[in-house]
Amino acid sequence: NAGVTQTPKFRVLKTGQSMTLLCAQDMNHEYMYWYRQDPGMGLRLIHYSVGEGTTAKGEVPDGYNVSRLKKQNFLLGLESAAPSQTSVYFCASARGGEQYFGPGTRLTVT
Amino acid sequence: AQKVTQAQTEISVVEKEDVTLDCVYETRDTTYYLFWYKQPPSGELVFLIRRNSFDEQNEISGRYSWNFQKSTSSFNFTITASQVVDSAVYFCALSEENAGGTSYGKLTFGQGTILTVHP
Repeated sequence: NAGVTQTPKFRVLKTGQSMTLLCAQDMNHEYMYWYRQDPGMGLRLIHYSVGEGTTAKGEVPDGYNVSRLKKQNFLLGLESAAPSQTSVYFCASARGGEQYFGPGTRLTVT
Repeated sequence: AQKVTQAQTEISVVEKEDVTLDCVYETRDTTYYLFWYKQPPSGELVFLIRRNSFDEQNEISGRYSWNFQKSTSSFNFTITASQVVDSAVYFCALSEENAGGTSYGKLTFGQGTILTVHP
């Protein structure tokens, strides 16, 4: 039981490049989330999903897209990366209230 | 809109001291959930506790205790006899309840409190 895994762990992008972050969970959880963590601001919700095939916007969705084609996977896409998207990205899954977080992806956009 | 405020940006204590981390929240919901998470230097987020808004009973778990006071919208966290391994960033968070009576889990986090415990 791996819990929540994130791929990749680190990435450096140039402004304007695109990439997809993958989140996978093996706990059969319905709910999944993407957060970003910036210094001094805590974590902020980007997008979330309450089930396979559904997605919804969180607090800071601009510049990101998501997809939940399979229950166990939640993808976060950056179509045209900007330096303001330099952050640590956390994925989480939940059922019944407690959220389980992945180890995080550190993304730098130059 | 929901808001969580952790007014203490950094706290520094010496080992074996007791330390209390403050958390004040704002919400219009009558039913909600409160959480504390720990983020050690390694970066992962570790779940510590979840309370719902109907349960104001204080809780103790080993050296950790939580004081939930709805009247002051506070959910404070105390570490008794702190240890160096307690050094971490601690986050308080709040989530709403959905129509089904559970939580969608959309967490609103505070800014975090950096706790440093010196030997």
